[in-house]
Amino acid sequence: DVKVTQSSRYLVKRTGEKVFLECVQDMDHENMFWYRQDPGLGLRLIYFSYDVKMKEKGDIPEGYSVSREKKERFSLILESASTNQTSMYLCASSYGTGGHEQYFGPGTRLTVT
Amino acid sequence: GENVEQHPSTLSVQEGDSAVIKCTYSDSASNYFPWYKQELGKRPQLIIDIRSNVGEKKDQRIAVTLNKTAKHFSLHITETQPEDSAVYFCAASKRGGGADGLTFGKGTHLIIQP
Repeated sequence: DVKVTQSSRYLVKRTGEKVFLECVQDMDHENMFWYRQDPGLGLRLIYFSYDVKMKEKGDIPEGYSVSREKKERFSLILESASTNQTSMYLCASSYGTGGHEQYFGPGTRLTVT
Repeated sequence: GENVEQHPSTLSVQEGDSAVIKCTYSDSASNYFPWYKQELGKRPQLIIDIRSNVGEKKDQRIAVTLNKTAKHFSLHITETQPEDSAVYFCAASKRGGGADGLTFGKGTHLIIQP
């Protein structure tokens, strides 16, 4: 059974703080993804990675960065949190190429005040 | 980049009736089209997917059709049941190949009326 876990379910941070969201998967998946989910907007891709130390920008990378030092772990970094980054953040992982099921983590609800 | 439009945003059907959700995409290079179901407070989960070399795929009460020429695909749920109530998202692979992120539609809230 695939397990994708995220470091926090709920997080409250102040404007300007540096924020780290962590995601870990236990299925040896090559690919990992970060999305944010907002009501009425669906899920939007922030960054993804298809290998250790590799990263690619998604549709809304501004204000975010990522790190993948180990295959099982993918971190999302908000360099200077702003109120418009208040959202639900979902991590996902998948194996291989050509399009395969993405397994999602439980999400982190981040509030920036 | 890819753009996925999804309709309707809310769909209410009587239990036992069929439900249809439609999506269009913009990038002709996209070749993988999954559908995810998200129940309230839970993570999205894949329910069915289709690749561009296939026109239709079925899994029990769920089916997906793909029209590559028109760049649209649809989810069909027959004999709807209360547990089908959820938000459904269509998606398309961003570049049509490789380890891609997905571009999602904005979601359809499906309500099954008893």
